[in-house]
Amino acid sequence: SQQGEEDPQALSIQEGENATMNCSYKTSINNLQWYRQNSGRGLVHLILIRSNEREKHSGRLRVTLDTSKKSSSLLITASRAADTASYFCATDDMRFGAGTRLTVKP
Amino acid sequence: DTAVSQTPKYLVTQMGNDKSIKCEQNLGHDTMYWYKQDSKKFLKIMFSYNNKELIINETVPNRFSPKSPDKAHLNLHINSLELGDSAVYFCASSPNLPIAGAFTGELFFGEGSRLTVL
Repeated sequence: SQQGEEDPQALSIQEGENATMNCSYKTSINNLQWYRQNSGRGLVHLILIRSNEREKHSGRLRVTLDTSKKSSSLLITASRAADTASYFCATDDMRFGAGTRLTVKP
Repeated sequence: DTAVSQTPKYLVTQMGNDKSIKCEQNLGHDTMYWYKQDSKKFLKIMFSYNNKELIINETVPNRFSPKSPDKAHLNLHINSLELGDSAVYFCASSPNLPIAGAFTGELFFGEGSRLTVL
């Protein structure tokens, strides 16, 4: 079994800036997912990217996947204070890490 | 209607007690999960059931016993509670198993049950 490991642990930016979070994993995958967790709430699915995809977009979210480096990144463009949350990645077997805590200052 | 609901939301109890957390999903999903989130926000999978059958059983003490009376319910019973069991426990469901090439992609989480052991 393996899990995604997010990096950095914490990220603080100003509203309007872009936020980039990274996820690394150890073995081959079929897909990778990103989730968001607001404080005191459950996780909410954001996006899934399959191993044969290199990039995927959803609104202000852009996810990339580099299977040769066993890594993925989540980019949030034009961040808003409401984007403040923890972001987690999960590999095929739905194992998560400790997430990246994003704070967007108004 | 809440898709995945857990009860209770908060639970405070003494060491050595036995307690249960209940989970129900009304999404018609076949697969349900229990996760434990510790104080450092690390989210660890504990169990996964598919159509009432245990699929994933991580290295979890025997004091933790999941029970799935039907595919819409997955309850977690904890015996002889210890201080280290204090955490937020999340239930989740998905349409099918996260197996190679067949996974449709999304876990739906409950709002969590915060367990505090004194």
